[in-house]
Amino acid sequence: DAKTTQPNSMESNEEEPVHLPCNHSTISGTDYIHWYRQLPSQGPEYVIHGLTSNVNNRMASLAIAEDRKSSTLILHRATLRDAAVYYCIPVSGTYKYIFGTGTRLKVLA
Amino acid sequence: NAGVTQTPKFQVLKTGQSMTLQCAQDMNHNSMYWYRQDPGMGLRLIYYSASEGTTDKGEVPNGYNVSRLNKREFSLRLESAAPSQTSVYFCASSDRDRGFYTFGSGTRLTVV
Repeated sequence: DAKTTQPNSMESNEEEPVHLPCNHSTISGTDYIHWYRQLPSQGPEYVIHGLTSNVNNRMASLAIAEDRKSSTLILHRATLRDAAVYYCIPVSGTYKYIFGTGTRLKVLA
Repeated sequence: NAGVTQTPKFQVLKTGQSMTLQCAQDMNHNSMYWYRQDPGMGLRLIYYSASEGTTDKGEVPNGYNVSRLNKREFSLRLESAAPSQTSVYFCASSDRDRGFYTFGSGTRLTVV
């Protein structure tokens, strides 16, 4: 299973963009990159996923490096509700998620 | 609402007691999972079931057993609870074709 490295914590001002980085240098060529977030006292929730090209949805954008060894989750305008722990997870064909410790995002009003 | 339902939400056990955590999903997902999350830590996979009738060990299976009762239900059993099993337990399900998990809201278990 590929290992990931994420900053332990980050801060952002409300309504500013946030870029959450993830290093996954041991990822295999067929692993998808999934991002989840966990709000306080809740289970993780799906944010976005991608394989090679950049992806957008209503929650966020995912920028994947050309060599696929890193990716960045982009929240275009952070809100207080976005304060959570964000997990980057390489996913193989078994769809067996291995979570790291994630990045705790603090949003300042 | 469609999703993953876990029961109970809270439980306190004495050391040595047994209990079963229940999980059910109504999304017709093939795969189901049990994770535990200790304070300040990420989630760790206990057991998973890729499809009805199959179960496999995850990262931390010791002290637990599971049953995939049918496609909807996946239970986690603690035969003899220990204080080290104090944690929040999350169940999840996935549809491999969609490629993402849906998690339940968790069971907060304390073993004293």
